[in-house]
Formats: sequence, C-alpha cells, structure tokens
Amino acid sequence: AQTVTQSQPEMSVQEAETVTLSCTYDTSESDYYLFWYKQPPSRQMILVIRQEAYKQQNATENRFSVNFQKAAKSFSLKISDSQLGDAAMYFCAYRSAWSSGGGADGLTFGKGTHLIIQP
Amino acid sequence: GAGVSQTPSNKVTEKGKYVELRCDPISGHTALYWYRQSLGQGPEFLIYFQGTGAADDSGLPNDRFFAVRPEGSVSTLKIQRTERGDSAVYLCASSLKGTTSGANVLTFGAGSRLTVL
Repeated sequence: AQTVTQSQPEMSVQEAETVTLSCTYDTSESDYYLFWYKQPPSRQMILVIRQEAYKQQNATENRFSVNFQKAAKSFSLKISDSQLGDAAMYFCAYRSAWSSGGGADGLTFGKGTHLIIQP
Repeated sequence: GAGVSQTPSNKVTEKGKYVELRCDPISGHTALYWYRQSLGQGPEFLIYFQGTGAADDSGLPNDRFFAVRPEGSVSTLKIQRTERGDSAVYLCASSLKGTTSGANVLTFGAGSRLTVL
C-alpha cells in the first residue's frame, strides 16, 4: 500500500513571500499521479496542481509550482507571492495509474499542512 | 448540477442511531468516492463506485457502514448503530472515469459533518 507523509503540521509565511510545503511518499509503482489539494474552512477540497509521474517536467499553475523528485519520492509545493486567500489546509495525495483494489482506485492523502498567511 | 452536492451539511445524532448521508455527483460522472476525514487528519478512502456497483469497498471500517448508488448517480452512505468514533466529516467526490484513467481529477463536495453524542 502507498503512504503519503507531510512532515510539517503547520507553516507560516508573510504575505507576498514564498513558502514551500513538503511531501514524501512511498510506493513500488512506477506509474502514478500526485496532487496537491487545498481545503479552506468551507471543507471543500480544491485541486491546486497535478503531476504525472512519467513526466520529468515540474507542473506549474500560476503562483503554484512543484518540485517533483521521483527517485527521492518527494513532491513539494511552492507558493510564490503568498496571498491571504491562500490560507488553508494543504493535502498532498497519491493516485495509482492502474486499478489494483485496496483503495488504490481513489486518492491516498497525507495528514495535511496548515498554512497561515501573516498580513 | 455544477458541483458535487452533499446533504446534510451537518448532522448531530445520538449514539446507537441510524444515519444516512447523501451525495449528488456532477452530472455524467460515472465514478463516485466516499472518504472519511477525522479531526486533524487527511481524508481516508471508504468506498468507490463505478456506475451502480461498488468496485472497491475495502475502506469501509466494519459492517455498520454501507453505501448504495442504485441508479448510478446519487449515492447514500448509511451508518447503523452509530458510535462516538464515527464522528467525522464524510466527503464525497466524483470523476468522469475510474481506474482506467488515473489522471481523471476528483471533484469533491463540501462534506457532511457527523457528530455522534
């Protein structure tokens, strides 16, 4: 079974600064997808960015980018020019590319990092 | 609908009672997932439907939990003889396809917060 580890329970950053959230994962698969989801107090999980394991190029979405290190099984999220609206829980998630049961059809989440934006 | 809708938003019940939580996925999404999110934790997989059938129910914690999706659209998560440990946010998500398209993005609802007194 795959596991996802987020070692930072909480991070704080000044508005307009850059912050990096860490994520590591454990898998024996070679083909998979990685995601960062944002969960504001409204509880709804919002997709921030997605990375396909077979692509070496790091994904970017506006102010959000990832540092994907496949050999190290690391998938960090960088938020540039932090804004007050970025404050939320951030979850790293793993999804197998192929069905194998045992919950692999869905997402495996880490425990999350609470991001605080200081004005 | 435009998004995944979950009702009720909040449910308070007493220990031992029966509870139903409803999920209305995005129209046309054949895959539907239920997750449970305990306080301070990430969501944990419960069950996955492809169409009307439960393709993977390996995450259901015990036989008090059951879910149905009789017409391949709306799903209901049913919890019998609720216990205080069942208190959590129950999240539903849907996607266009299931396992054969791992890239398909899951869209989540806002969840149902269940509190068992």
